[in-house]
Amino acid sequence: GENVEQHPSTLSVQEGDSAVIKCTYSDSASNYFPWYKQELGKGPQLIIDIRSNVGEKKDQRIAVTLNKTAKHFSLHITETQPEDSAVYFCAASRIAGSARQLTFGSGTQLTVLP
Amino acid sequence: EPEVTQTPSHQVTQMGQEVILRCVPISNHLYFYWYRQILGQKVEFLVSFYNNEISEKSEIFDDQFSVERPDGSNFTLKIRSTKLEDSAMYFCASSGQGRNEQFFGPGTRLTVL
Repeated sequence: GENVEQHPSTLSVQEGDSAVIKCTYSDSASNYFPWYKQELGKGPQLIIDIRSNVGEKKDQRIAVTLNKTAKHFSLHITETQPEDSAVYFCAASRIAGSARQLTFGSGTQLTVLP
Repeated sequence: EPEVTQTPSHQVTQMGQEVILRCVPISNHLYFYWYRQILGQKVEFLVSFYNNEISEKSEIFDDQFSVERPDGSNFTLKIRSTKLEDSAMYFCASSGQGRNEQFFGPGTRLTVL
């Protein structure tokens, strides 16, 4: 089955700096890669996703890049703010018919220092 | 904005007891999922449900687990005889027809004593 590795496990940045979180996946058939933000005591919240036919996607301060050949994808947050502090999870899925289970990475605790 | 809701927020039970965790997915969504997260660990897939039947299930989802959509709005996860290692946060999620995005509920924290 799919295996997703995520690095780093913790990341501290100064407010205004950029943050980068990286993930690798093992199943070359995976074709959908979402990123979730989880705040303390809450469920994962989808912040951005990318499909395998696209190399990069951007939404305001958040961007995701995908390298299918190397089987890795990254989350980039620019101009970080204290409210960006949370745990971020990457995930991978092989969407085929009704099959679409997500395999999650182990999470990155991002702390934005004011 | 529509959201997935889950009840209860926290369930405490004795080992061997049955528990039912409830979820109300986003209306007009057709795909439903349960995931769990043991404290400090990854979010793990349990089961997906579409067209009134299980689409996929993981190795975790053994005979002690079952899912049901008893009416047009609720989606439940039942654990027949809870074990200590079932203690975790259980998340329900749903997604719409032709859409890949899965939207998660706030979770139910299950504590098995």
